[in-house]
Amino acid sequence: DVQLTQSPPFLSASVGDRVTITCRASQGISFYLAWYQQKPGRAPKLLIYGASTLQSGVPSRFSGSGSGTEFTLTISSLQPEDFATYYCQQLHTYPRTFGQGTKLEIK
Amino acid sequence: QVQLVQSGSELKKPGASVKISCTASGYTLTKYPVNWVRQAPGQGLEWMGWINTNTGKPIYARGFTGRFVFSLDPSGSTTYLQISRLKADDTAVYYCARDIGDTFDIWGQGTMVTVSS
Repeated sequence: DVQLTQSPPFLSASVGDRVTITCRASQGISFYLAWYQQKPGRAPKLLIYGASTLQSGVPSRFSGSGSGTEFTLTISSLQPEDFATYYCQQLHTYPRTFGQGTKLEIK
Repeated sequence: QVQLVQSGSELKKPGASVKISCTASGYTLTKYPVNWVRQAPGQGLEWMGWINTNTGKPIYARGFTGRFVFSLDPSGSTTYLQISRLKADDTAVYYCARDIGDTFDIWGQGTMVTVSS
């Protein structure tokens, strides 16, 4: 199985900050990586797929990059509504594994 | 509006069964596979498997064989997750999600299943 390791697991930041979350895969997954945002009590929401393609309707302050085994999600200028938990997911092979999540909290 | 609508919360006793529905709205369910994802309280997302919505063939992740069954309504608009012989460890939110090949783009709102005596 492909293991996904997200770092950091917790991140404390302020409104307006630029933040980066990393997702490392245990083996190469090409560009088959997606990022989701989840708020408490809500379903995950797709932000980025294909490692760098922004889902329709997602603000442009979100961006993704990477290929192979190392990927990043960047939020260029944090807004109050961005404080949530973020998950990466690989769709290269079965089982479709998720990272353990990164909880982004207000400093 | 394209969405997946799930059935409501369930409270069950250990040993009982539960059947959760996931109904497509705004698109034809049979066009894309549906995946199931579990989230235990305070935990991350765990992929359970998927169902081919054309053939009804299910594929289960390790750890979700035996007591877990994905099925399809004959009308082709609703898919189900049934869990039998419920245990306390099955307490979780269960999500269905549309799989368009390189991502899960539409998620159901989630169904909370609580297993308690």
